[in-house]
Amino acid sequence: DAGVIQSPRHEVTEMGQEVTLRCKPISGHNSLFWYRQTMMRGLELLIYFNNNVPIDDSGMPEDRFSAKMPNASFSTLKIQPSEPRDSAVYFCASSLRGSTEAFFGQGTRLTVV
Amino acid sequence: QKEVEQNSGPLSVPEGAIASLNCTYSDRGSQSFFWYRQYSGKSPELIMFIYSNGDKEDGRFTAQLNKASQYVSLLIRDSQPSDSATYLCAVNSGTYKYIFGTGTRLKVLA
Repeated sequence: DAGVIQSPRHEVTEMGQEVTLRCKPISGHNSLFWYRQTMMRGLELLIYFNNNVPIDDSGMPEDRFSAKMPNASFSTLKIQPSEPRDSAVYFCASSLRGSTEAFFGQGTRLTVV
Repeated sequence: QKEVEQNSGPLSVPEGAIASLNCTYSDRGSQSFFWYRQYSGKSPELIMFIYSNGDKEDGRFTAQLNKASQYVSLLIRDSQPSDSATYLCAVNSGTYKYIFGTGTRLKVLA
């Protein structure tokens, strides 16, 4: 298996633009996580999906953030409109079950100017 | 109080020495504990997990768990310069929620 695949690896966008980050989890994993990592706050859980259903989105910072998982092999995280403070590395991770070890994608480094 | 605490470091050890990384957590209901290694600019990769009190060894790595003290540690024997990275402790209460510490930066000096 190729592991968790994220795209794009890097994204530079202007404030106010829409940004969409993509994730393909490991085949057979039923849990998917979106994390954001910054120097100040470390890794923060944004949203958790189980069997394609959003279970906990309490970490989503604002209504500007939304996430979908239309099927077991694809998820998106959208920011609209983007702001400079959204600049961070966004990781997608998947696990076989929610409580087992999570495997991370390579991340998307987002820069909003 | 942070839920998972780690000393940010950097922790500097000479090549060949034992590196000891520590983590404390606040939720007594925590059930599973993970150590991830993250190289600069890369994603976290799992190196060990532990569920029961005591020690768990895997090659040069030993994870130690003491639930009574709410303490988990990672020992790296015969440290190599390639071990230089940030080590993240993660705690799970048996549900989906992993709580990560902010990581300890380890520098192994050649």
